[in-house]
Amino acid sequence: GAVVSQHPSRVICKSGTSVKIECRSLDFQATTMFWYRQFPKQSLMLMATSNEGSKATYEQGVEKDKFLINHASLTLSTLTVTSAHPEDSSFYICSAREDRANSPLHFGNGTRLTVT
Amino acid sequence: QKEVEQNSGPLSVPEGAIASLNCTYSDRGSQSFFWYRQYSGKSPELIMFIYSNGDKEDGRFTAQLNKASQYVSLLIRDSQPSDSATYLCAVSVGSNSGYALNFGKGTSLLVTP
Repeated sequence: GAVVSQHPSRVICKSGTSVKIECRSLDFQATTMFWYRQFPKQSLMLMATSNEGSKATYEQGVEKDKFLINHASLTLSTLTVTSAHPEDSSFYICSAREDRANSPLHFGNGTRLTVT
Repeated sequence: QKEVEQNSGPLSVPEGAIASLNCTYSDRGSQSFFWYRQYSGKSPELIMFIYSNGDKEDGRFTAQLNKASQYVSLLIRDSQPSDSATYLCAVSVGSNSGYALNFGKGTSLLVTP
């Protein structure tokens, strides 16, 4: 089945620093990838849609200058949390769907970000 | 705002019983419906999907879809303690890979030995 790899799985950083998270589709090409965020005991909230070769589409309330997304190739998308603050501490999960009708969303293992 | 509603639970069932999880959605244009299982601290894993009215069975799991009622459910037969997790209902308004999924808040299931 389709595999999405995400790295790192866990990161602790100091307030004001930037953190980059990588997401790769290992056995399929993904023109589109999705970044979700999940706070404790909350549902997954879509942050942005990452499009290969074009700008990402951000959901309402998500700051595009704070959460930089780069979809450099058909298998790689990166999310950079810039000038991280404690309130950005969360579980960030990338995902992608295979390019066929009604394909499910496959998730990476997620990145647990803790900003101190 | 496209809503996907689930009872947060917890839903507690004894081992061996049938667990029934329900989900409603607001967007009549929704085309694909998915059930994911999420263990604490982990990312969601796909259980099954359905996009036609009726039932779809896969092992101990059965998904049921009723588009007229905007309702989708998941039945887990012979529930096991390892099934204890949060079950997420997800809906897509488009069938191709460019559409994200909209998730419910999840139902917490506890299967007691």
